[in-house]
Amino acid sequence: DAGVTQSPTHLIKTRGQHVTLRCSPISGHKSVSWYQQVLGQGPQFIFQYYEKEERGRGNFPDRFSARQFPNYSSELNVNALLLGDSALYLCASSWTALNTEAFFGQGTRLTVV
Amino acid sequence: TQLLEQSPQFLSIQEGENLTVYCNSSSVFSSLQWYRQEPGEGPVLLVTVVTGGEVKKLKRLTFQFGDARKDSSLHITAAQPGDTGLYLCAGARKNYGQNFVFGPGTRLSVLP
Repeated sequence: DAGVTQSPTHLIKTRGQHVTLRCSPISGHKSVSWYQQVLGQGPQFIFQYYEKEERGRGNFPDRFSARQFPNYSSELNVNALLLGDSALYLCASSWTALNTEAFFGQGTRLTVV
Repeated sequence: TQLLEQSPQFLSIQEGENLTVYCNSSSVFSSLQWYRQEPGEGPVLLVTVVTGGEVKKLKRLTFQFGDARKDSSLHITAAQPGDTGLYLCAGARKNYGQNFVFGPGTRLSVLP
């Protein structure tokens, strides 16, 4: 079975632009969460979605938004990109909203120039 | 704000040596996960510990959850170059789902 898949793997954007990152969870998993990992740090929680509803939001500005589709895939959108948004964006999936075992994708490396 | 600290931050050892890395917090977690991450890749789940005092073994890796569920350790016996990577601990809180608190990681380098 395929694991969590994310696209694209790498992306370069200019300050002020917006970006959409995509995630497909493991088959059967209904919960998707997004993390930002800045170089040299541990991942920081951005959002969790379960059954298309937002179930948690981290301490990120409103420029960050996400949604989940009926097939449980998810998109993370970031508007008005800043240099500081450069990071590895990770998607994780899990069976249910409260399950504490999560499986991560390979991430999308976003570089803002 | 709940924080997880990890020590040491960096560790470089020779193949065959033993090592222990630590994950500490002043907060209680309902469970704790350990991940290994290689450069440019996503974290790979190694183990989840749930019960205070629990010990889990995964081949040469031994994981322990503190009695008070505030801390954890990872012990590697006879380290191999393939163990090289960033070891992350992540704490889960009751009713927070996958809103994990991650530590900053321990970067391990095992030299042949």
